[in-house]
Amino acid sequence: QSALTQPASVSGSPGQSITISCTGTSSDVGSYNLVSWYQQHPGKAPKLMIYEGSKRPSGVSNRFSGSKSGNTASLTISGLQAEDEADYYCCSYAGSSTSLFGGGTKLTVL
Amino acid sequence: EVQLVESGGGLVQPGRSLRLSCAASGFTFDDYAMHWVRQAPGKGLEWVSGISWNSGSIGYADSVKGRFTISRDNAKNSLYLQMNSLRAEDTALYYCAKDRVAAAGDAFDIWGQGTMVTVSS
Repeated sequence: QSALTQPASVSGSPGQSITISCTGTSSDVGSYNLVSWYQQHPGKAPKLMIYEGSKRPSGVSNRFSGSKSGNTASLTISGLQAEDEADYYCCSYAGSSTSLFGGGTKLTVL
Repeated sequence: EVQLVESGGGLVQPGRSLRLSCAASGFTFDDYAMHWVRQAPGKGLEWVSGISWNSGSIGYADSVKGRFTISRDNAKNSLYLQMNSLRAEDTALYYCAKDRVAAAGDAFDIWGQGTMVTVSS
């Protein structure tokens, strides 16, 4: 069980788009369509933003989108806003009732 | 209102035990899998353990396997984590999280506010 790999940080200006990658293996990301993404503001509990790779929960802005290719999943945020500045984590089902998180990515809105 | 409230955290010496609880309300508890996720101070999220709706499927992170035991009582709408042989590296904020589905491993759509566990002599 090794953590999924995410870039430590990404940044973008308001209105721009950014993409955060999440690389796993053929035993987790590559085997299941069960990648989810979470947003966490400082001192707050995480919030589900994307589930099953590309689906948005009710209430989540359509500026957030998810995709997957092979062993790598991606989260794209379009039309960046100041409130999007937060930490983002990917998570994948890894079989046998286990899950794995990525190390997290700090998004800075310039 | 859908809510998860964790309790049971605190300061404990290395090698000792602690039992965390999570009280659920506002949804049909026994329709969903449940999980524990932890976050060490200043660090990222780490999935700890998950349990299916009927306790038929249970999983653990390698870092806690053999030391931690997850359980649930659907009659009491409660989730538990028995933590034995605690180590300094178990120090973290422990979140209770609800799965979107009955079988563990889809996504965590509801989170509690967490209970802090500090392992130190």
